[in-house]
Amino acid sequence: QQQVKQSPQSLIVQKGGISIINCAYENTAFDYFPWYQQFPGKGPALLIAIRPDVSEKKEGRFTISFNKSAKQFSLHIMDSQPGDSATYFCAASMGAAGNKLTFGGGTRVLVKP
Amino acid sequence: DGGITQSPKYLFRKEGQNVTLSCEQNLNHDAMYWYRQDPGQGLRLIYYSQIVNDFQKGDIAEGYSVSREKKESFPLTVTSAQKNPTAFYLCASSTGTRTYEQYFGPGTRLTVT
Repeated sequence: QQQVKQSPQSLIVQKGGISIINCAYENTAFDYFPWYQQFPGKGPALLIAIRPDVSEKKEGRFTISFNKSAKQFSLHIMDSQPGDSATYFCAASMGAAGNKLTFGGGTRVLVKP
Repeated sequence: DGGITQSPKYLFRKEGQNVTLSCEQNLNHDAMYWYRQDPGQGLRLIYYSQIVNDFQKGDIAEGYSVSREKKESFPLTVTSAQKNPTAFYLCASSTGTRTYEQYFGPGTRLTVT
């Protein structure tokens, strides 16, 4: 039972372009939505997180947009750089404490120079 | 340097043998987690522990066992009952109050032949 669906599975973008990754969830009890970045052969690292009472959060070139009514959220990578080439995972959690994370299937992003 | 260590990075075993993967953290985190990652797939939760001497099954616990005798250590045993054990195993930890913010180790790639 996949509670967080992520798309696309992979995308290729030119340097300077915008990468967009979408996630949809089913369980309305989810209320923390982090994004993780994973480089090949490494463990994932937290990139940015949002709560559903906020429609948008920006950190540098990374922006999360949140649509609570549609139960969807997305990651935008502005001015994509080759160093952004990685796999990105969205996730969802019920509450900040004491609960597990449910991960999406991941999106492999390749930024071409 | 605070962080999570997993050893070894690569592990090879013959089918039918149990094998234990090590995970140690010096972040003073209460919660620890084990995930399995298969090529091109997301992270699937095997077991997690919110406190010493207590742990819960995740989504794919069959064929695995864990212990949490010390706060800093959360070893995972892959038993011979696990039908398809070859995978990349990731350990993570978090504070008890921010479980959506997980810190991952570098992973152990287990190959069973």
